[in-house]
Amino acid sequence: AQSVTQLGSHVSVSEGALVLLRCNYSSSVPPYLFWYVQYPNQGLQLLLKYTSAATLVKGINGFEAEFKKSETSFHLTKPSAHMSDAAEYFCAVSWLGEGNTPLVFGKGTRLSVIA
Amino acid sequence: EADIYQTPRYLVIGTGKKITLECSQTMGHDKMYWYQQDPGMELHLIHYSYGVNSTEKGDLSSESTVSRIRTEHFPLTLESARPSHTSQYLCASSGIPYNSPLHFGNGTRLTVT
Repeated sequence: AQSVTQLGSHVSVSEGALVLLRCNYSSSVPPYLFWYVQYPNQGLQLLLKYTSAATLVKGINGFEAEFKKSETSFHLTKPSAHMSDAAEYFCAVSWLGEGNTPLVFGKGTRLSVIA
Repeated sequence: EADIYQTPRYLVIGTGKKITLECSQTMGHDKMYWYQQDPGMELHLIHYSYGVNSTEKGDLSSESTVSRIRTEHFPLTLESARPSHTSQYLCASSGIPYNSPLHFGNGTRLTVT
């Protein structure tokens, strides 16, 4: 079965520091890749998505992610963390040709930002 | 601004009660989903539907049932609630293409006492 792995269930950074949240997927089949953010007491909100148009994808709130086929990775980054970035982040993948399989989510990474 | 609505936002009920969690979307999406989110934040797919009169069970075994009589409406029902059902339930919808993102509601936080 296809899978998505998010390394680190909890990441803590200082305000102004680089944010790096890792996501790896299994499969050689071309994927569609997504990052979602969840703030407390809310549903998930789309941050960005990769659909093969460009390997570097820019999203909302200054986040971006780079698709690296050779590493089967889609890590999320932000140059300078802000207190408001504290939230839970989910990587998700779907695969063309996998029938009607719903989106597969990683287990999530909780981002804490320290003042 | 949410185009997918879940009610109620919070619900506390006693064991053995029957409950229905409501989910409606105004985007005309064919695909709809129910996820259960545990306190450790992991999402578990419990039901999904790709159109009217079409429903499928997800990865996580669940004692709940769903129906899809109208495109915009995808309610989830627990016939007899138990404390083990205490969780956050998230509803989502998406368009047909594989690269269509999911749109999530704000969730229903259910507590069964």
